[in-house]
Amino acid sequence: GAVVSQHPSRVICKSGTSVKIECRSLDFQATTMFWYRQFPKQSLMLMATSNEGSKATYEQGVEKDKFLINHASLTLSTLTVTSAHPEDSSFYICSARYLQGNQPQHFGDGTRLSIL
Amino acid sequence: DAKTTQPPSMDCAEGRAANLPCNHSTISGNEYVYWYRQIHSQGPQYIIHGLKNNETNEMASLIITEDRKSSTLILPHATLRDTAVYYCIVSYTTNAGKSTFGDGTTLTVKP
Repeated sequence: GAVVSQHPSRVICKSGTSVKIECRSLDFQATTMFWYRQFPKQSLMLMATSNEGSKATYEQGVEKDKFLINHASLTLSTLTVTSAHPEDSSFYICSARYLQGNQPQHFGDGTRLSIL
Repeated sequence: DAKTTQPPSMDCAEGRAANLPCNHSTISGNEYVYWYRQIHSQGPQYIIHGLKNNETNEMASLIITEDRKSSTLILPHATLRDTAVYYCIVSYTTNAGKSTFGDGTTLTVKP
């Protein structure tokens, strides 16, 4: 089946640093990738949708200057959390989808981000 | 995207069928029903999807009512490894087809 690889799986860093998370579709071309954030015991919250070669579309309340998304190719999207603070600590999950027909999303295993 | 309603939790005995319901009364004609599950601290896993016909794959069966306002995911022989949070989502296949996750159903399979 379709495989989405997310890296790193876990990162711990100091407040004020920037963190980049990569999301790769390994065996299919992802015309669209999604980024979610999940807090403990809560559901996934969609942060943004990124289409290859164009600017990401952010959900209401998500700061686009805080969470930089790049989707430069059909197999790679990156999320950069800029100047991270403890409140940015969360579980970040990407998904990828080939936008033809009714293809489902395929998810990465997530990145556990801890800001000290 | 249409919203969905699921019971917050369900229990199922190991080896028995698990039937997980989902209401999506505001679904539109070209929205598909997708089911995913999430095991603790992992990314969601795709299970199955359908438009209006019942579907079956190696993991589960999906039963969609004729009016498409509700559906049921069936795990025919639940195992302990099926314990997870199950999400029912309705989504367009165009316009990026973004998926909004509700709270899902926490299924606990008991020995």
